[in-house]
Parts: sequence; structure tokens; C-alpha cells
Amino acid sequence: EAGVAQSPRYKIIEKRQSVAFWCNPISGHATLYWYQQILGQGPKLLIQFQNNGVVDDSQLPKDRFSAERLKGVDSTLKIQPAKLEDSAVYLCASSLDRVSSEFFGPGTRLTVL
Amino acid sequence: AQSVTQPDIHITVSEGASLELRCNYSYGATPYLFWYVQSPGQGLQLLLKYFSGDTLVQGIKGFEAEFKRSQSSFNLRKPSVHWSDAAEYFCAVGEASGTYKYIFGTGTRLKVLA
Repeated sequence: EAGVAQSPRYKIIEKRQSVAFWCNPISGHATLYWYQQILGQGPKLLIQFQNNGVVDDSQLPKDRFSAERLKGVDSTLKIQPAKLEDSAVYLCASSLDRVSSEFFGPGTRLTVL
Repeated sequence: AQSVTQPDIHITVSEGASLELRCNYSYGATPYLFWYVQSPGQGLQLLLKYFSGDTLVQGIKGFEAEFKRSQSSFNLRKPSVHWSDAAEYFCAVGEASGTYKYIFGTGTRLKVLA
């Protein structure tokens, strides 16, 4: 079974630039999560989708972050404009449903200079 | 508000020694509890989970954890550590009311001495 795929694996940008991350969940998984993991901290949930609808985006900085999952499969997370404090690993995870275990992708390491 | 505390930032053990990583949670109802491992450059991998039933949970790679409601704890244990167990370990609690989401602890970094 293929795991959760993410791209790119690494990204370096300057502050105020824009960046987008892509996630392809495990086939058949209805729930998709985006997490932000700052160095030395545990992952923090940014947004949770159930199919193509948003379930929870309470911790998403909506003035600069946006995410979509238009067809209920792949998802993109965008930051515009980026700030230095956005430097982190962005993890995508998926699960069969909202109460099943999550499977994590390898993450995208973002460095904002 | 719910929270997860991992009191130990770093732990060093010798190969072959036993291991216990501590996790305490704060949550009003019975939580869903998880332990994940993250190796350098790798994504998070689920070791084990507790939803209900037997409070001693067996996981992969020889790990187990025990849910103790009275102590609000879900400590991870392994009787004999291998060098390949060196990694960062995260405890997480799942909130099952309303929107279902995970809250992670800050992690414990395990170093294994040969």
C-alpha cells in the first residue's frame, strides 16, 4: 500500500514570498490533516478535511495560510506571504475516517530566509 | 483545555536496558491516546494506540504502553532497547468530541548508547 506522498521535500524561500505544498493521501482515506512542526516541538494541527470539506481550521493563520482539497483527494497548503516564523516541517496525514489512526507523510521542510 | 505533557526532553539509555517514556494528559473525558516515533528525516510512525478496553496496549517494535486513568498517564515502555530505537517519541491525545483532532506533546528524544 502506498503511503502519504508529499512534495516538495525541501523548500527555501525569502520572507514575503509565496509557497505551496502538495499532499496525496492514501487511497480511500477520507480524512486529511495538515500539521506544522517547528523545530523542537510536537506537530500542531493546522487544518483537517473530511472529504473536501473543512472540519477544523481553528489554528490556521488565515491571513496568510490557505488550504484546499477540491476533489476530496489531493490537497495543497499555501503560505502567502511567508514570514521567518513559518520555517518548519509541514506534515500531511490521512486516515480512513475521523476516528481511525493517522498515517503521516515524510513532510516538507520549509526554510524562510 | 486538553493538553499533553512529556516531562523528559532527552533520555539516554544503554542498549539492552529497559525504557520508560512518560506521558501525562489533561482531558475531561476518556481520551484516545497514541504514541508515535519519528526518526531523523522520517515521517511520524504510529507505535500503538489506546481507544478503550485493556489498559495495557501492545504495539510494534516491542513497545507497550499502559493507560492509567487515576494518574492521567500513558507511559511507553520497552524491556530491552535496541540501537535502532534512537529517535524522537511523541505522545498524542485525540479529542473525540465535536471535531476530532490530535494534540501532540513536545516529544522525548531518545539516545541509545552502544
